[in-house]
Amino acid sequence: DTEVTQTPKHLVMGMTNKKSLKCEQHMGHRAMYWYKQKAKKPPELMFVYSYEKLSINESVPSRFSPECPNSSLLNLHLHALQPEDSALYLCASSQEAGLANYEQYFGPGTRLTVT
Amino acid sequence: QKEVEQNSGPLSVPEGAIASLNCTYSDRGSQSFFWYRQYSGKSPELIMSIYSNGDKEDGRFTAQLNKASQYVSLLIRDSQPSDSATYLCAVNVYSSASKIIFGSGTRLSIRP
Repeated sequence: DTEVTQTPKHLVMGMTNKKSLKCEQHMGHRAMYWYKQKAKKPPELMFVYSYEKLSINESVPSRFSPECPNSSLLNLHLHALQPEDSALYLCASSQEAGLANYEQYFGPGTRLTVT
Repeated sequence: QKEVEQNSGPLSVPEGAIASLNCTYSDRGSQSFFWYRQYSGKSPELIMSIYSNGDKEDGRFTAQLNKASQYVSLLIRDSQPSDSATYLCAVNVYSSASKIIFGSGTRLSIRP
């Protein structure tokens, strides 16, 4: 089973709102990722968690705040977003995140619209 | 120079023919290479991974890797209309930590 789940599927939020995206996997993977994908562009890496510790932050603005409560869960807290942050937010997981990358499996994504 | 390059397409192939998708990468230290398929409005789906030079076959899909030429390709045999999608090449790179970088994707259209 290579299932990664994400909630919600769609989210509309105002620029003053606070919301959270959630991601869950039950494959025993120890690495989890957040990506952002704009229309007709490839996914862009935002954050990597390895063994529940943040290992990569791709200079993401502080209005995006990741959290990894345990090895199965990954959250992305959103606050004071801008309309240009509207995108598909993808969660992925892999067995490890070491030098020899393992296969990453993506969840269905959350379609975020900031008004 | 882009780290992972793909022809954006669209690549139009008749049903039943072989579709050939190509990708070049710049980091000679890259060790892992992946092909993802993404349908419009959906998330990327892993279809192939390859780590060693040569060919790797899985059903109608064959991935080919040539590290000396920094080139990886995906062949789809007996193309079906359901293969119409964007195909993303992904390559691992290492700077301060290891991560994968996606190419911009090739849009494939299978015409009946």
